[in-house]
Amino acid sequence: TQLLEQSPQFLSIQEGENLTVYCNSSSVFSSLQWYRQEPGEGPVLLVTVVTGGEVKKLKRLTFQFGDARKDSSLHITAAQTGDTGLYLCAGSSGSARQLTFGSGTQLTVLP
Amino acid sequence: DAGVIQSPRHEVTEMGQEVTLRCKPISGHNSLFWYRQTMMRGLELLIYFNNNVPIDDSGMPEDRFSAKMPNASFSTLKIQPSEPRDSAVYFCATQGADTQYFGPGTRLTVL
Repeated sequence: TQLLEQSPQFLSIQEGENLTVYCNSSSVFSSLQWYRQEPGEGPVLLVTVVTGGEVKKLKRLTFQFGDARKDSSLHITAAQTGDTGLYLCAGSSGSARQLTFGSGTQLTVLP
Repeated sequence: DAGVIQSPRHEVTEMGQEVTLRCKPISGHNSLFWYRQTMMRGLELLIYFNNNVPIDDSGMPEDRFSAKMPNASFSTLKIQPSEPRDSAVYFCATQGADTQYFGPGTRLTVL
């Protein structure tokens, strides 16, 4: 069974601060995705990374896939209250469409 | 497109009753996934269909759970009989090319 561990589980910061969320596994994934979920809604895809060492930027969000494709990080610069939500990483292996989801990081950005 | 449609959005039932959750996928998406989300266990894949055929049902907790996809535009997840530990948010997601799109979920409470 492939497991994805996310840390921290909860994070509460002030608007304007920077933060990093981690997603770690002992398994190798062919691709890794990050989702954000708001209350009462389903997760929404933010980004997909597929190459070891890959870095992708989405405005103030920077995503990195580890060289060995076992881990990933999400860095948010100058957090805003609108960034509040549950952040989930999810990995897939080979050609399978199934995703294994991490435990999630609940981010709260205070005004 | 209206996105993935799930019904009902909320369901409250008593232990022992049958529960049927419904999902209408995005038109043209040939893969459909049923997930369950709880605080304790996070987001778990229950079953996955490709072209209306169940591919992987290893996540279905027990025989009380069953899922069908009679055609490309409709799927159901049935729990019979329901138990309090089935209380969770159940998501349907569909995928065409590379991205899974989640529905808004059904919040199930079994008393």
